[in-house]
Amino acid sequence: NAGVTQTPKFQVLKTGQSMTLQCAQDMNHNSMYWYRQDPGMGLRLIYYSASEGTTDKGEVPNGYNVSRLNKREFSLRLESAAPSQTSVYFCASSEMGQGIQPQHFGDGTRLSIL
Amino acid sequence: TQLLEQSPQFLSIQEGENLTVYCNSSSVFSSLQWYRQEPGEGPVLLVTVVTGGEVKKLKRLTFQFGDARKDSSLHITAAQPGDTGLYLCAGEPNFGNEKLTFGTGTRLTIIP
Repeated sequence: NAGVTQTPKFQVLKTGQSMTLQCAQDMNHNSMYWYRQDPGMGLRLIYYSASEGTTDKGEVPNGYNVSRLNKREFSLRLESAAPSQTSVYFCASSEMGQGIQPQHFGDGTRLSIL
Repeated sequence: TQLLEQSPQFLSIQEGENLTVYCNSSSVFSSLQWYRQEPGEGPVLLVTVVTGGEVKKLKRLTFQFGDARKDSSLHITAAQPGDTGLYLCAGEPNFGNEKLTFGTGTRLTIIP
C-alpha cells in the first residue's frame, strides 16, 4: 500500500521557470492538501481540496495554482518560480469524518529555485 | 491566523533522560494533534486530543491538552535514540474545519 506518492523527489529550477508537482493517494480519501515546510516555520498550508472539483486557498497561496484532477490526484503548479519558493513541499490526504482526522503525508519534494 | 508556538525549538539530551516540549497559542482549538517527522520523510500522526484536560499515553510518551484548549505538552520518559525527530503540533481551529494550523516544531536529538 503506497499511501501518498509525490513526484519528483528533488528539483532544481531557474527563476521564472514553471513546473508541476504531482501527488497521488490510494486510500480513497476525499480531502487533499499541499503544504510547504521552511526552517523554523512548521508546515504552512498552500491549498486544500475537500473533494474532486473543489479547491480552496490556504495560508500562503500566492504564486501557486492547483488542480484536483480526480479523487486520487492533486497537483501543484508554479507558473513562474521565484527564489522565495525554495522549500520542501508536502502533499497530504485525509478522510472526511466527524471531528479531526489523521493527515497522511507523502515524503516531500525538495525544490530549489536559483 | 491562529498561531501555534512550540518550545524549545531545539533540544538535545542524553539517552535515558526525561523531557517535555510545549505547544502554545493565544487561541482556542477544537482539537489538537501531534506528529513526528524523520529526515527525508513526511510527518506521521502520533496522537489526537479533543477534550480540554485530556491526557493520552503512548508507551513512554504522554500528551496533555490544556484545560482551556489553548496549549498542549508532550512528555517523554527515558528518551531513546529512536525518539529523535521533529515534533509538530497541529490544531483544528474550528470543529469540522479540516484545515490544520501547524506549530513551528521542536527538533529533538537523543544522544546515545
